[in-house]
Amino acid sequence: GENVEQHPSTLSVQEGDSAVIKCTYSDSASNYFPWYKQELGKRPQLIIDIRSNVGEKKDQRIAVTLNKTAKHFSLHITETQPEDSAVYFCAAYYNAGNMLTFGGGTRLMVKP
Amino acid sequence: DVKVTQSSRYLVKRTGEKVFLECVQDMDHENMFWYRQDPGLGLRLIYFSYDVKMKEKGDIPEGYSVSREKKERFSLILESASTNQTSMYLCASSLTGDLYEQYFGPGTRLTVT
Repeated sequence: GENVEQHPSTLSVQEGDSAVIKCTYSDSASNYFPWYKQELGKRPQLIIDIRSNVGEKKDQRIAVTLNKTAKHFSLHITETQPEDSAVYFCAAYYNAGNMLTFGGGTRLMVKP
Repeated sequence: DVKVTQSSRYLVKRTGEKVFLECVQDMDHENMFWYRQDPGLGLRLIYFSYDVKMKEKGDIPEGYSVSREKKERFSLILESASTNQTSMYLCASSLTGDLYEQYFGPGTRLTVT
């Protein structure tokens, strides 16, 4: 099945700096890659996603890039703010299993 | 606005007890999922269902079963709870046409003593 690895597991940045979280996946047939944000004590919520026919997607301060050849994708947050502090999960849609496989999560801390 | 609710936020059970976790969604979603969330392991899929009375195993189905008698309700059952099933359990749902975006419930933190 699909295997998704996510790095780093924790990330601390100063407010205003950029943050980058990287994920790799194993199944070259995967074609959908969402990112979820989970604030402390709350449910995960989709913040951005990318499909395999696109190399980059942007939404205000967040962007996701996809390198299909290398089988990795990344989340970029610019001008970080304290409210960006949360756990972020990447995921890959595994066609054969008809399900999402999640990475281990990254705890992002933005220091004011 | 999609609403996914879970029957309990916190639950404490003893080893060997039978445990039921309930999930209800009010948006007529065909697909429903049960995950467990453990530090460093992310979200791992236990079971999912794409229709009433249909179920599929996820990555870690051992020790669990599920029931989907009605479209809006998906139950996770621990037949004989064990301490290694202490975890946060998250339910999610999605439409078939938009399988990918999943909407999550608030989670149930289960402690097995």
